[in-house]
Amino acid sequence: DVKVTQSSRYLVKRTGEKVFLECVQDMDHENMFWYRQDPGLGLRLIYFSYDVKMKEKGDIPEGYSVSREKKERFSLILESASTNQTSMYLCASSPHGDNEKLFFGSGTQLSVL
Amino acid sequence: AQKVTQAQTEISVVEKEDVTLDCVYETRDTTYYLFWYKQPPSGELVFLIRRNSFDEQNEISGRYSWNFQKSTSSFNFTITASQVVDSAVYFCALSGGPYGGATNKLIFGTGTLLAVQP
Repeated sequence: DVKVTQSSRYLVKRTGEKVFLECVQDMDHENMFWYRQDPGLGLRLIYFSYDVKMKEKGDIPEGYSVSREKKERFSLILESASTNQTSMYLCASSPHGDNEKLFFGSGTQLSVL
Repeated sequence: AQKVTQAQTEISVVEKEDVTLDCVYETRDTTYYLFWYKQPPSGELVFLIRRNSFDEQNEISGRYSWNFQKSTSSFNFTITASQVVDSAVYFCALSGGPYGGATNKLIFGTGTLLAVQP
C-alpha cells in the first residue's frame, strides 16, 4: 500500500525550540509539499520540492525552512518555534506529471507553548 | 488572482438526505484543474476527483456526483443518500497558471465540515 508517513501525529514544543517535522514517501515521487491547515483558512502551502536538494517557497514560508537530501524524505524545520506556528502540518507528494493528484500523510498536530 | 471559495463552513444532515457542497473558483487561466479531497477524522486527505477546464461533463461515481459549470465558475459536489461515514471535511482545490503544471501545487478552499447524523 503506497504511503506518505509523517513521523509524529502529535507534538508539543516550547517557544524558541528548533522543531523538525519529518515526512517519508514510498512512491518514488518527485514532488513533495508541506502545507499547514488552520480553521477557517484551509490548507496553505509553506514549501515544496520538485527534486532532491531543490526547494521553492510557497505562500507562507516565513519562519520555516526545509530539507530534501533524499528523494523519499522531506523535512520541515521551524528554526525557533513560536505560538503562531501551532497548527496541523500536512505533508504530500505527487509524481512529476501534469496536474497530478497529491497523496497526503495523516498530519502532525503541533502545539507550541 | 487564483482563489477557491467554499462558503459553507459546516453542514449538518440526517442520514439518507442528499447534500451539495459548493465550490466557486477564480482564475484568469484558460487551462486549469479542479479537485475535491475528503479529510476524515483520521486526518489524511483522500483524493476524490480531478477535472480539467475543458471537460464540463458532469461525473457520477456511486453516491457521489460533481457538477462543473464554467459559466458560473463552480464545481459543486453532491452526495446522494448520505451516510455517517461521509462525515468529514471536504476541500475543493484549484491548480493552473503559476500553480499546478508539473509542480502540482494546489490552492485549497477553506473546507466544508459535513456532519451526517444517524
